[in-house]
Amino acid sequence: DAGITQSPRHKVTETGTPVTLRCHQTENHRYMYWYRQDPGHGLRLIHYSYGVKDTDKGEVSDGYSVSRSKTEDFLLTLESATSSQTSVYFCAISGTGFNNEQFFGPGTRLTVL
Amino acid sequence: AQSVTQLDSQVPVFEEAPVELRCNYSSSVSVYLFWYVQYPNQGLQLLLKYLSGSTLVKGINGFEAEFNKSQTSFHLRKPSVHISDTAEYFCAVIVSGGYQKVTFGTGTKLQVIP
Repeated sequence: DAGITQSPRHKVTETGTPVTLRCHQTENHRYMYWYRQDPGHGLRLIHYSYGVKDTDKGEVSDGYSVSRSKTEDFLLTLESATSSQTSVYFCAISGTGFNNEQFFGPGTRLTVL
Repeated sequence: AQSVTQLDSQVPVFEEAPVELRCNYSSSVSVYLFWYVQYPNQGLQLLLKYLSGSTLVKGINGFEAEFNKSQTSFHLRKPSVHISDTAEYFCAVIVSGGYQKVTFGTGTKLQVIP
């Protein structure tokens, strides 16, 4: 299995508080992604990174920011959590090349009350 | 922009029966196609992928898929399902060229009935 961990695995927080989710990889892969998974929507890309300090927005980036200061770590921050951000968040990685599969972490279940 | 459609949100099937999960895509350029599986409370893992060459692709756990360019489809099939195949299946597409932004379908839940 690809070495991807996510922390925390579960979190309950209150509306308006900031939340940071961490993705850590040991594969030295270039690309890292954050997705959210919601019933009826499949996986939707929030942000992705194509290198250290190189990030870009996905299709549902509003209310989220990311940072990648090291190859192995990709942080997702909810600046002020809202109930609509209650979801399961997955981190994924992939190597160089356009035909590479993505390897997924175990997910973080976030509940915003 | 590319898109992926999985018309069936749920597919119930009896154990040892065949199954087909449908996937259609839309893109004006060449694509790479994937099927991922998600078991309960886990992340996604790759079942199979089509990059080029033979249109019939074989994957893990006895699954296979056929790329049909004229119908823009990439349906997933298995001739005989097992209880352990109960999971959610996602079709995904990457447009060749550019960054690796994958577009996922909304998923199909396969329920295998004993």
